[in-house]
Amino acid sequence: DAGVIQSPRHEVTEMGQEVTLRCKPISGHNSLFWYRQTMMRGLELLIYFNNNVPIDDSGMPEDRFSAKMPNASFSTLKIQPSEPRDSAVYFCASSPTGASYEQYFGPGTRLTVT
Amino acid sequence: AQKVTQAQTEISVVEKEDVTLDCVYETRDTTYYLFWYKQPPSGELVFLIRRNSFDEQNEISGRYSWNFQKSTSSFNFTITASQVVDSAVYFCALSEENAGGTSYGKLTFGQGTILTVHP
Repeated sequence: DAGVIQSPRHEVTEMGQEVTLRCKPISGHNSLFWYRQTMMRGLELLIYFNNNVPIDDSGMPEDRFSAKMPNASFSTLKIQPSEPRDSAVYFCASSPTGASYEQYFGPGTRLTVT
Repeated sequence: AQKVTQAQTEISVVEKEDVTLDCVYETRDTTYYLFWYKQPPSGELVFLIRRNSFDEQNEISGRYSWNFQKSTSSFNFTITASQVVDSAVYFCALSEENAGGTSYGKLTFGQGTILTVHP
């Protein structure tokens, strides 16, 4: 059974460019979470969806960040325009709906903005 | 609001030593769940264990054991006879059942503890 799939695994881009990160959750999982991890701020929850609907985007740092989940098997996190301070590892995680379930994390996308 | 504190930023031990990673949480909910995740140098986050707030029994899995104490709001993790492969960042996390409404499984993570096991 495939786990959470993220692409690309590594992304290097120049400041000002648009970046799109992709995530395929585990089939049957209704909740999807996007996190950002940096040395300074640790693991931050950016946004999460339930049944493809955004529930809480209060963690999205700025309007430059946007996320979509057009269907149950695909989500994107877009940064436009990107800035050097966006450099981080971005994780996608999925789980069945409910507090009692553990989240399964993808391998992450390491983003470097120069 | 919920909060998870892992006061130990870094721990360094020599192989075969026992080590305990501390986790203290805050929540107003009566029903909640506690988790531990491991992040090895390769970067992925691996789920280790989940406990619910009504089950205070300690759990042991091989060299790993967990001590959940509601009286002190702690959920500590002990590795017995540590090995080099245990070197990783360990995260404690909390999810609340009610969370002011329907719970979607949002996790609040601690800052993590970097464990280094030297040969």
